[in-house]
Amino acid sequence: SQKIEQNSEALNIQEGKTATLTCNYTNYSPAYLQWYRQDPGRGPVFLLLIRENEKEKRKERLKVTFDTTLKQSLFHITASQPADSATYLCALLASGGSYIPTFGRGTSLIVHP
Amino acid sequence: SQTIHQWPATLVQPVGSPLSLECTVEGTSNPNLYWYRQAAGRGLQLLFYSVGIGQISSEVPQNLSASRPQDRQFILSSKKLLLSDSGFYLCAWSVSYGNTEAFFGQGTRLTVV
Repeated sequence: SQKIEQNSEALNIQEGKTATLTCNYTNYSPAYLQWYRQDPGRGPVFLLLIRENEKEKRKERLKVTFDTTLKQSLFHITASQPADSATYLCALLASGGSYIPTFGRGTSLIVHP
Repeated sequence: SQTIHQWPATLVQPVGSPLSLECTVEGTSNPNLYWYRQAAGRGLQLLFYSVGIGQISSEVPQNLSASRPQDRQFILSSKKLLLSDSGFYLCAWSVSYGNTEAFFGQGTRLTVV
């Protein structure tokens, strides 16, 4: 069956460091991969999208990589700040017309001042 | 600009009672609409999606149903709630073409007692 795996353990880092979150998938051939941020009690908010033929995407302090051979995406936040503390979700979209996002469980990031 | 409204924000219902959650989207036409559920410590589980009025696809067999009576209105219902229906329910929309992001509502925290 299709699986999207994100580390269930919270990631604790110090302010100013780079946070790296992992999204692995199996039995899936996504055409696109998205990353969202979710704050407690709120709906997810879209951050970045990367296509299967793209290796890397950047937006301000965010960087996403996509390795379809490893079936893995890495999400980096450089110069992390306490305000970056949240749960980060990856979502996969298959080609074929529907583009329905299928989400992982998310990883909680805690940035300590 | 586009907005999505979801209500109520919180709901406490007894077992066996009916449920109706409503979601409306403004500022766009013919959106894809989604209902997700997020149980404590779990990821976003897709419950239903709709690509047009009256077109509902169910992803998980369960005690819930969905309807789309108007282009920008999506309703989640149950005739008799179970304890296991408790969770955080999220409505979302995306454009009906391409690989764009999903926009989420504020969510409804449902507690079945």
